[in-house]
Amino acid sequence: QLQLQESGPGLVKPSETLSLTCTVSGGSINTYSYYWGWVRQPPGKGLEWIGSIYYSGSTYYNPSLKSRVTISVDTSKNQFSLKLSSVTAADTAVFYCARLSSSWYFFHYWGQGSLVTVSS
Amino acid sequence: EIVLTQSPGTLSLSPGERATLSCRASQSVSTSYLAWYQQKPGQAPRLLIYGSSSRASDIPDRFSGSGSGTDFTLTISRLEPEDFAVYYCQQYGSSSYTFGQGTKLEIK
Repeated sequence: QLQLQESGPGLVKPSETLSLTCTVSGGSINTYSYYWGWVRQPPGKGLEWIGSIYYSGSTYYNPSLKSRVTISVDTSKNQFSLKLSSVTAADTAVFYCARLSSSWYFFHYWGQGSLVTVSS
Repeated sequence: EIVLTQSPGTLSLSPGERATLSCRASQSVSTSYLAWYQQKPGQAPRLLIYGSSSRASDIPDRFSGSGSGTDFTLTISRLEPEDFAVYYCQQYGSSSYTFGQGTKLEIK
């Protein structure tokens, strides 16, 4: 059974960089069949796609966040990571990592989510 | 960017009733790239429907999806107590994904 687990600091100071890692177990990240992505959800609000990455390293970002986002993959560790720079309180959210179908472009498997609060 | 608008914002129904949730796109969406999710408090979203009308594995057949172009619908034929949750539609196009703002399905 595929499992995804987010990890990283739960508190980040304004203007700093938020960093999260998603560890994949029960399956290899090194496959052409899937993309791997990040979605966030501010408290009490809806879902927002942040970006996606292919095992080869090709990335796709939400245009509204593109200038601040970097997603990378480490196939040797079966992990992919998110960096979001220059954070403000508006970036406070639950961050989910997910596996996406590369044929139908839906989010199939999700991590449990990691709450990151931006506050001094 | 394609904007998805879901309606109604909140739907109040009783168990056993039929629920019809709407998702309207600002421009045409490929039927292959429209999905629906269910989210319960404190949980990650759960995939229900992909390709507009294909049920994901282990999803009961009371959930069905339909639509094309700019208008898509999620129907729950007979509501069970566990179906009361928030539902999101999602589309893919031009290397970008967007979600609707959600419909909250609450017990009447």
